[in-house]
Parts: sequence; C-alpha cells; structure tokens
Amino acid sequence: QVQLQESGPGLVKPSQTLSLTCTVSGGSISSGSYYWSWIRQPAGKGLEWIGRIYTSGSTNYNPSLKSRVTISVDTSKNQFSLKLSSVTAADTAVYYCARDSYGIAVAGPQPGAFDIWGQGTMVTVSS
Amino acid sequence: SYELTQPPSVSVSPGQTARITCSGDALPKQYAYWYQQKPGQAPVLVIYKDSERPSGIPERFSGSSSGTTVTLTISGVQAEDEADYYCQSADSSGTYNVFGTGTKVTVL
Repeated sequence: QVQLQESGPGLVKPSQTLSLTCTVSGGSISSGSYYWSWIRQPAGKGLEWIGRIYTSGSTNYNPSLKSRVTISVDTSKNQFSLKLSSVTAADTAVYYCARDSYGIAVAGPQPGAFDIWGQGTMVTVSS
Repeated sequence: SYELTQPPSVSVSPGQTARITCSGDALPKQYAYWYQQKPGQAPVLVIYKDSERPSGIPERFSGSSSGTTVTLTISGVQAEDEADYYCQSADSSGTYNVFGTGTKVTVL
C-alpha cells in the first residue's frame, strides 16, 4: 500500500529556508486523481494545513503562509517537496506530508480527506 | 480567516457515548472530515464526507451534520479511544483547508 516518508534537516537557522521532501512508496505519485499536501503541528498545538500540489504542478497555499511557501513535485522520483522561507521560531513544528483527496466537482472545489500520512518530521528553528 | 470551533475537552466513562462538535459557517456547503491523533503519532482518518467510515475504523465511530455543526460520535467508548480529535473542512471557496481547534477525549 502507499506510504509516505518525510525527510530533511531537523534544525534550521532563523531567517533561512526550511526544505523538506516527501517520498511516496508503494504506488505512483501520478496515479489516481490525488493531490499531495503538507501539514504542520507545533508542539502541544493543533494542525495547520500549509498547501497542496497536483502532479501537473498546480498548487494551493494557505493564505497565511502563501508569501513564504513553495511546494514542488518531481514525478520521476515519486517525491514532492516543501520550501518555507524566512523562518522564525514560530515555524518550529512537526511537519507531515499527506495524500489529499481534494477535487474540483461540477459545483466547484471540494475539500478531500487526508487518508494517508507520513510519520512526521520535527523541524526546530534555532540559531 | 475561517475557523472551525471544537470544545477543548470531552470526558466520558468507558461504555458511554462521547460527542464532539465542530462548528463553522461554511459547513453546510463543504464536507467535513475527522481525525484521531494519539501522542507521538500521525493523525488517522476516522470519518470522511461528514458521515462515511473508512475501512478498518470501528463501527462505534460515526459522524453527522446539521447546519453549521458537524458531530463525531463515539458509541461505547473504549480506553483506546482516548486521543485528540480534529475536524477538517474548507472555507466557502472549497479550496483552502482548515482544521478545527481540536478536542481531547479523556476516558475516565
């Protein structure tokens, strides 16, 4: 079955760019009509959706993070990636990647389920 | 920005019923989803499209929707159901996902 695995540095300095990659295994990132999302969770706090990408490269970003976020996809490697620029201590969190069933129906865009998640990776922003 | 509001905590005795609400203005228009998260683990989808249950999720988990509120019901609560629960949906455009504030379920 499809599995997701996050990877990347666990420590990032303030003002620098956080970079993470999610590797999809057990299936092709291009199969089905799935989008692929990033979600984060500061310690002891709730979940925050960061953004999503489709294999065509089409993206949607959380408006509160849009100016700092870039999500990209590499179908040849079965991976998608997150870059978050100008990080501060407030960006310290566990970062998850997830499969996203978002879709565009006749009535318009519809949120979908995050049915498969990676295990999460802790990223600390500190000098 | 759009918000989904949940009660911070719900306490329930084993075998009883736990109900967790999630309120948001766009819920009449957008589907809601529910996740269970245990300490140190990734969230797990327990309800999708308001009331559908994924395979492998026990029947004691159910979902319902009424107006601007969706509800996750856990019938016959077991000790293993103690966890944080989050609802998820989108704003009125349907494009931007939002998670609820989260509810800690304690089994007494």
